[in-house]
Amino acid sequence: NAGVTQTPKFQVLKTGQSMTLQCAQDMNHNSMYWYRQDPGMGLRLIYYSASEGTTDKGEVPNGYNVSRLNKREFSLRLESAAPSQTSVYFCASRDPGDRADTQYFGPGTRLTVL
Amino acid sequence: DQQVKQNSPSLSVQEGRISILNCDYTNSMFDYFLWYKKYPAEGPTFLISISSIKDKNEDGRFTVFLNKSAKHLSLHIVPSQPGDSAVYFCAASRVYGNTGKLIFGQGTTLQVKP
Repeated sequence: NAGVTQTPKFQVLKTGQSMTLQCAQDMNHNSMYWYRQDPGMGLRLIYYSASEGTTDKGEVPNGYNVSRLNKREFSLRLESAAPSQTSVYFCASRDPGDRADTQYFGPGTRLTVL
Repeated sequence: DQQVKQNSPSLSVQEGRISILNCDYTNSMFDYFLWYKKYPAEGPTFLISISSIKDKNEDGRFTVFLNKSAKHLSLHIVPSQPGDSAVYFCAASRVYGNTGKLIFGQGTTLQVKP
């Protein structure tokens, strides 16, 4: 079991470029999430997908789009990257049977926008 | 509006002593509270959780205490070990709606000195 995997691990973009961050989980979880982590800000939810076929905005969705490709995969797209999107991005998934809402995180993607 | 707050950015403790990490929240509708641990260049990993109907949950060296009247929870690590040095995030969730969204605090960096 790989758990939650993310690609790439690191990325440097120029302002205005686009890219897609990939996330996959092999735990058969229904729900998946994208967060960004910035110094002093904790983890902030960008988008989530409660189940296959649904996506919803989180706390900081502006400048991002998501696709729930299938039950395993949930991608995050930056259409026109801005320096304010320099951050570490984490994908997570959740077992719907877990009453405590425990989420399992991937290793993260460190993105720098110049 | 920060619904979950960790007011201490950092904490330094001697090996073998107790580490106490604190977290405050504002929303009395939260059902579960969770603690995550994060090492540099890794994703957060789940540590321990507590239901809002309990006031204490223990797992080995880790104990979480919940004071609902004060809207305050704390994580106690006894005894502290150098391997516990990491960033600790508290998080809260509402089960209603089953979206599994977590709201995170800003994090506290714990340093355990040998």
